[in-house]
Amino acid sequence: DSGVTQTPKHLITATGQRVTLRCSPRSGDLSVYWYQQSLDQGLQFLIQYYNGEERAKGNILERFSAQQFPDLHSELNLSSLELGDSALYFCASSAGTNGETQYFGPGTRLLVL
Amino acid sequence: QKEVEQDPGPLSVPEGAIVSLNCTYSNSAFQYFMWYRQYSRKGPELLMYTYSSGNKEDGRFTAQVDKSSKYISLFIRDSQPSDSATYLCAMEGGGNKLTFGTGTQLKVEL
Repeated sequence: DSGVTQTPKHLITATGQRVTLRCSPRSGDLSVYWYQQSLDQGLQFLIQYYNGEERAKGNILERFSAQQFPDLHSELNLSSLELGDSALYFCASSAGTNGETQYFGPGTRLLVL
Repeated sequence: QKEVEQDPGPLSVPEGAIVSLNCTYSNSAFQYFMWYRQYSRKGPELLMYTYSSGNKEDGRFTAQVDKSSKYISLFIRDSQPSDSATYLCAMEGGGNKLTFGTGTQLKVEL
């Protein structure tokens, strides 16, 4: 158990809908990272927050947004969902801003029908 | 061409064998190199991380980085059925962004 928690574990929704994924980092970690894992693209970095501020951005679509709250938990919002958004979404956390020691949560499996 | 290339396998070995997993990369800016293990339907688990070139050993696992060849390896000695998983290499070169390989699926058979 990495200490990173994610909810929900599974999510089934329809195209055009909006969903929110939630992540709680390990105790003491200030950075949260979001990743998307699909069969064809592998694990893709989406975005990083450090202590409430956006720190780095990857291949995140404009339909997706994230935030980190004062208690350091983070939410990833996915809107206008398309079939191709079906994937595993992982959250990871690390103590500082450097990305080399990240601990991953169990993931949220999203299925868009 | 992808920044990080990794043979997807599957790689099947008998129990007790030495396993060699490899990644090549093209971005000279990468300074930190990681190996993650991912069991089916689970999150990636950090196994090893090394900075720049050289070797690092942790129990049955040895990570090697050759920056001149842009090539990294993970060796698993005395492989066990519990080592059956997908192994992902990852690299970071500033900007806090990890770039992952697509993963190699390993199966260790009794």
